[in-house]
Amino acid sequence: SFVLTQSPSVSVAPGNTARITCGGDNIGSVAVHWYQQKPGQAPVLVISYDSDRPSGIPERFSGSNSGNTATLTISRVEAGDEADYYCQVWDTSSDHRVFGGGTKLTVL
Amino acid sequence: QVKLAESGGGVVQPGRSLRLSCAASGFTFSSLAVHWVRQAPGKGLEWVAFISYDGTNKYYGDSVKGRFTVSRDTSKKTLYLQMNSLRGEDTAVYYCAGDRGGGPFEYWGQGTLVTVSS
Repeated sequence: SFVLTQSPSVSVAPGNTARITCGGDNIGSVAVHWYQQKPGQAPVLVISYDSDRPSGIPERFSGSNSGNTATLTISRVEAGDEADYYCQVWDTSSDHRVFGGGTKLTVL
Repeated sequence: QVKLAESGGGVVQPGRSLRLSCAASGFTFSSLAVHWVRQAPGKGLEWVAFISYDGTNKYYGDSVKGRFTVSRDTSKKTLYLQMNSLRGEDTAVYYCAGDRGGGPFEYWGQGTLVTVSS
């Protein structure tokens, strides 16, 4: 079954660019979705199908997916972007959904 | 707009059962597939179970298979997660989340906390 690997933490200064990666064997062959979760709140979808941005999500959020790595990029990081970020895929071989372990984004 | 609201959480002893509910509103009930996702205290998200828009397909994560059962009642616009033989490691906030046909989890409830403890 699919195993998704995320770095536990990423730190970035305000105004800079944050890149959060999600590793998996040939992950580029499946659609990856990204969620943002702030403390005490339910997750929110920020990127779907590798790079689509749902309505209401700032253009600063973008995504890419190729080979063994999917990447969520947050440009011009703001204090309000501090949160946990999770990648997720559909493992069609088992019909299970799989989450990465999550990355805590800290804005310095 | 689409709204999902969980209820039924609480404190339960190991080995006992609990049923969670997820009330849906703001959309055609039969158009949305629903998942249950949980999050243990201080931990990441874990996918638990899935029920298709018409209830014919159901899938479960390995850690709950054989103990948890998902169902839906169209007349009440409500989804259920029946949890049996509960263990300490089932302690978590349980979310219901909706997707439109194999896509991302677009809609989430606010979550309900289940604590398994003697």
